[in-house]
Amino acid sequence: DAKTTQPNSMESNEEEPVHLPCNHSTISGTDYIHWYRQLPSQGPEYVIHGLTSNVNNRMASLAIAEDRKSSTLILHRATLRDAAVYYCILNSRNTPYSGGSNYKLTFGKGTLLTVNP
Amino acid sequence: DGGITQSPKYLFRKEGQNVTLSCEQNLNHDAMYWYRQDPGQGLRLIYYSQIVNDFQKGDIAEGYSVSREKKESFPLTVTSAQKNPTAFYLCASTDIAGVLTEQFFGPGTRLTVL
Repeated sequence: DAKTTQPNSMESNEEEPVHLPCNHSTISGTDYIHWYRQLPSQGPEYVIHGLTSNVNNRMASLAIAEDRKSSTLILHRATLRDAAVYYCILNSRNTPYSGGSNYKLTFGKGTLLTVNP
Repeated sequence: DGGITQSPKYLFRKEGQNVTLSCEQNLNHDAMYWYRQDPGQGLRLIYYSQIVNDFQKGDIAEGYSVSREKKESFPLTVTSAQKNPTAFYLCASTDIAGVLTEQFFGPGTRLTVL
């Protein structure tokens, strides 16, 4: 599985934008870039995913570099509830039942985001 | 409400005892997964199942066993062979026939072996 590299921790102030970087220099053409976040003592929750184009949803934006070797998760206005560990994950989507490994997610240590009031 | 339930939230067991963690989903998802998380670490995949009556080992399957007799249920047994079972266990599911491959996670079970 292609690996991702994220900073161990980042800090932000409430109501300011946050840019969380992720490097994935060995990404393959079929790898989607997924972001999940995990609040303390809870299961992870899906944030956003993309392949080549930038993506926006109600939670965040995902900016993908033209060469796809890096991406940035953007929280437009951080709140205290955004304090969590953010995971950047590569997942190759193939057709269903195609062999078993394509729907696994490999979680690294992620980036611990601290939001200051 | 649709979702994934795990029970219990906290579980204590004596060393040498087997223990079974429950995971149920009513999302009609085909695939289900079990992860283990240790303090300050990411999630590691224990077992996963893409269809009823079939499952595959993940990265750290030793000392664990699973069954998938029903689509909505994927229980995990932590056996006495697991050398360091104290951890936070997370269950997840995915609709692999759908467009998205988003994984939905349960609230987790924190297992402590005394």
